[in-house]
Amino acid sequence: NAGVTQTPKFRILKIGQSMTLQCTQDMNHNYMYWYRQDPGMGLKLIYYSVGAGITDKGEVPNGYNVSRSTTEDFPLRLELAAPSQTSVYFCASSYPPGAGEQYFGPGTRLTVT
Amino acid sequence: EDKVVQSPLSLVVHEGDTVTLNCSYEVTNFRSLLWYKQEKKAPTFLFMLTSSGIEKKSGRLSSILDKKELFSILNITATQTGDSAVYLCAPQTSGSRLTFGEGTQLTVNP
Repeated sequence: NAGVTQTPKFRILKIGQSMTLQCTQDMNHNYMYWYRQDPGMGLKLIYYSVGAGITDKGEVPNGYNVSRSTTEDFPLRLELAAPSQTSVYFCASSYPPGAGEQYFGPGTRLTVT
Repeated sequence: EDKVVQSPLSLVVHEGDTVTLNCSYEVTNFRSLLWYKQEKKAPTFLFMLTSSGIEKKSGRLSSILDKKELFSILNITATQTGDSAVYLCAPQTSGSRLTFGEGTQLTVNP
């Protein structure tokens, strides 16, 4: 099992550019999540999904979009990147609902200049 | 709005010391509380607590939850330099959503 994988590991974007952060899990987990972590801060939930075709906003969804067409993949789309989106992005998954532990990917470090 | 407060935010100790990390929370639809350890990469799972008063233990780490007073503590005994990390507390609510605190930065000096 690879667990939760994320690509790319690092990326530098110019203001106004767009990109997609990829997240894949091979544990057949229903629930998937996207978080961002700013320096010295805890993780904040951007979007989450309880299954293919179902997504919902978290605490900080503005400037992001997601889709969930398969159980395995949960990409995060940044449109019109802004410096405030400079952060480390973590994808996570869990199964079954309410079981607790979320498994985290290694993260993507994004800089917007 | 859900709220999680961890204290202290930063702690520096010597190897062999015992530390207590605190987490208080105010969230809607509480289901459980999780502790994670983060060492400059992705968080790794330590404990999940669902019932008050039942201590969970893993080696030198232990944790307990008080659902009446809305707090949890994480204890680390006989600290080692490898315990240096950020410790994150996260209550879990409906939809298995986690709300993370800012974390406690623990530094263990030799």
